[in-house]
Amino acid sequence: EAAVTQSPRNKVAVTGGKVTLSCNQTNNHNNMYWYRQDTGHGLRLIHYSYGAGSTEKGDIPDGYKASRPSQENFSLILELATPSQTSVYFCASGDFREVFFGKGTRLTVV
Amino acid sequence: QQKVQQSPESLIVPEGGMASLNCTSSDRNVDYFWWYRQHSGKSPKMLMSIFSNGEKEEGRFTVHLNKASLHTSLHIRDSQPSDSALYLCAAPMSNYNVLYFGSGTKLTVEP
Repeated sequence: EAAVTQSPRNKVAVTGGKVTLSCNQTNNHNNMYWYRQDTGHGLRLIHYSYGAGSTEKGDIPDGYKASRPSQENFSLILELATPSQTSVYFCASGDFREVFFGKGTRLTVV
Repeated sequence: QQKVQQSPESLIVPEGGMASLNCTSSDRNVDYFWWYRQHSGKSPKMLMSIFSNGEKEEGRFTVHLNKASLHTSLHIRDSQPSDSALYLCAAPMSNYNVLYFGSGTKLTVEP
């Protein structure tokens, strides 16, 4: 089965600090995605990538950067974390036919 | 405005009953819809997809698609407590490499 691994699974960060969420996929998918999930909002797209070296903005990119150094790895970076970025973050790989999700990272910014 | 709208926000059905969930898109170029299911504390997993007008059935689950009205619906017959989950509708919009999700319908099946 398709495998997407996220780390860390839980993170508590301080306001103004830098946070890096990591994602690794072994599916050899070109496309990778970062979504955040908040109650009442479903899954909202932050950034996505078509392949190594590419990053694209999704619907809610403000306050987030992304990095795709290789086919397998896709990171989400919060340079200056704010309490409004407290959420569950899902990384995924795939394409429009099917998207496979990691188990999620619960981020709390205090 | 959210690109994919789902209704109702929440739904409670008795065990053995029929659950009906709705989804529409704001993008007239949408051809396909997906339904994902997310159990509490878990990640979403694809349940069913539909690409053409009409109906598609897989076991207790049936999906309808009306491309003209950009509307899809998911029907679960003989609902079981294990069907209790958040059901997310998704559509690719104009960029077929990216899925956009609705806010979901929380289904509770009461024994």
